[in-house]
Amino acid sequence: ETGVTQSPTHLIKTRGQQVTLRCSSQSGHNTVSWYQQALGQGPQFIFQYYREEENGRGNFPPRFSGLQFPNYSSELNVNALELDDSALYLCASRPGTNYGYTFGSGTRLTVV
Amino acid sequence: DQQVKQNSPSLSVQEGRISILNCDYTNSMFDYFLWYKKYPAEGPTFLISISSIKDKNEDGRFTVFLNKSAKHLSLHIVPSQPGDSAVYFCAASAGANNLFFGTGTRLTVIP
Repeated sequence: ETGVTQSPTHLIKTRGQQVTLRCSSQSGHNTVSWYQQALGQGPQFIFQYYREEENGRGNFPPRFSGLQFPNYSSELNVNALELDDSALYLCASRPGTNYGYTFGSGTRLTVV
Repeated sequence: DQQVKQNSPSLSVQEGRISILNCDYTNSMFDYFLWYKKYPAEGPTFLISISSIKDKNEDGRFTVFLNKSAKHLSLHIVPSQPGDSAVYFCAASAGANNLFFGTGTRLTVIP
């Protein structure tokens, strides 16, 4: 399988709810990162997983959590959604420490 | 604190002319710089990169220049084509770590 696939493409949630976003990476891509891109901004780093363990985190609160699975898929979970969580969420993967990140098309989350 | 800055939100260029997109950074630990291109409803696509040990990298119509003393890099596209119209993001990293992105520059190439 080639490319990075994210699901769903669009999602609307109510403030206070919880959401799970999914990402399927290329085979062999042991490193996966998640980014949040607010409207008019560049992507902001949320966290990174390497071989199923978190090995880097940006300036995001603990209600943002993740998982990486052995089959190169991963999840981003956000609890207690706030209006400001409305953004495009991007998943990016790469094989080990190679700099060649491949990005998915993102999930557009709207919190109302 | 925005460590990577793109101060021009938009740029319009005539087809066939040169497009120059600029980027400034503040973190002297950054040692790898990348440019990504983004179309609507798609994720960023890697375009070109440069290591801090170089001052220029070229790939076809795309050239990236790095001025470490000024903490400045630029992307030159020549000749510009209508298909180049997109949002361009500058990104930087320190070691094999996460990327810090600028806010993007929307390039419009006018036929």
